[in-house]
Amino acid sequence: EDQVTQSPEALRLQEGESSSLNCSYTVSGLRGLFWYRQDPGKGPEFLFTLYSAGEEKEKERLKATLTKKESFLHITAPKPEDSATYLCAVQAYSGAGSYQLTFGKGTKLSVIP
Amino acid sequence: GAVVSQHPSRVICKSGTSVKIECRSLDFQATTMFWYRQFPKQSLMLMATSNEGSKATYEQGVEKDKFLINHASLTLSTLTVTSAHPEDSSFYICSASSPDSYEQYFGPGTRLTVT
Repeated sequence: EDQVTQSPEALRLQEGESSSLNCSYTVSGLRGLFWYRQDPGKGPEFLFTLYSAGEEKEKERLKATLTKKESFLHITAPKPEDSATYLCAVQAYSGAGSYQLTFGKGTKLSVIP
Repeated sequence: GAVVSQHPSRVICKSGTSVKIECRSLDFQATTMFWYRQFPKQSLMLMATSNEGSKATYEQGVEKDKFLINHASLTLSTLTVTSAHPEDSSFYICSASSPDSYEQYFGPGTRLTVT
């Protein structure tokens, strides 16, 4: 069974204080690892897809990296508007051609001005 | 691009009634759509996967007769919660993916409250 564990559950940062969120996973054949941002009462917003170990992707203050066992979402000099819950999900190869995602519980990030 | 809409955004219904939620891909054709539910402070739990023109595939523990899914076109999927009960109150979110992408794009969600 595919499993995704995110840590920490919650993180409070001062504005400008850089940090990283962790996503550990076990999956039988990783097709892709996804990062989403979710604001309260809204659907997840797509951020990144990583496909292979060693891959990195950046978007503004966010940088996602991937190893064979975990992924990190680095936040550089965060701003209050970066406050949200960040979700990690894995997609496994399926003989049926399914594209299902298995989600972690998320990390709730609060950036204090 | 890759915009997914849901309607309604919020709905309150009485116990025993049925509620229909629509999910639309606005700027791409979605061969596959997914329905999730999310409880407070919990992650998204996949309920079912629907492919255009075929029956939905339900996850273990999800009652297919209670949660009716129709994917009649490449841009529209509907979820009908039949004979809703208070325990069905939740945040329902759909997502869609196109044939040439592994990525899923999510709708804004529908908050269902059953009284």
